[in-house]
Amino acid sequence: EAGVAQSPRYKIIEKRQSVAFWCNPISGHATLYWYQQILGQGPKLLIQFQNNGVVDDSQLPKDRFSAERLKGVDSTLKIQPAKLEDSAVYLCASRFGQGYEQFFGPGTRLTVL
Amino acid sequence: QKEVEQNSGPLSVPEGAIASLNCTYSDRVSQSFFWYRQYSGKSPELIMSIYSNGDKEDGRFTAQLNKASQYVSLLIRDSQPSDSATYLCAVKKGGQNFVFGPGTRLSVLP
Repeated sequence: EAGVAQSPRYKIIEKRQSVAFWCNPISGHATLYWYQQILGQGPKLLIQFQNNGVVDDSQLPKDRFSAERLKGVDSTLKIQPAKLEDSAVYLCASRFGQGYEQFFGPGTRLTVL
Repeated sequence: QKEVEQNSGPLSVPEGAIASLNCTYSDRVSQSFFWYRQYSGKSPELIMSIYSNGDKEDGRFTAQLNKASQYVSLLIRDSQPSDSATYLCAVKKGGQNFVFGPGTRLSVLP
């Protein structure tokens, strides 16, 4: 069974530029999460999707971050414009449903200069 | 007070020893508790989950939960150098989402 796929793996941009990350969850997984993990900290949830609907985006900085999962499968997370403090690893995770384990993708390491 | 706190590391133990990792949480209604292992530069992977008070054993790993004290721990017996990683405690309330602690970095010395 293929795991959660993410791209790109690494991205370097300058502040005020925009960037987009892509995630393809495990086939059949209805729930998809985007986390931000700053160096030395635990993952922080940005947004949760259930199929193509948003369940929780309370911690998403909506003035600069946006995310979509239009067909209920793959998802994109966008930052526009980026700030220095956005430098982090962006992790995508998916799970089949309540009571099931969540599986993480390899992450995208973003560096904002 | 942070929702999930873990003992600050790094924690160093000699090979073959028991490593003890601790986690406290602030919300009494938390129901599900998880330990993830994260190797440097890699993504987290689930190693243990626990839902009721007491101990849960899986191989060399034992998770302990005490809801009255709002405390969950992970014991690693016969620690190996390959156990060197950051261990993340995560807590979940009902249908709500996972809240992760900051992690404890463990180093097992050969």
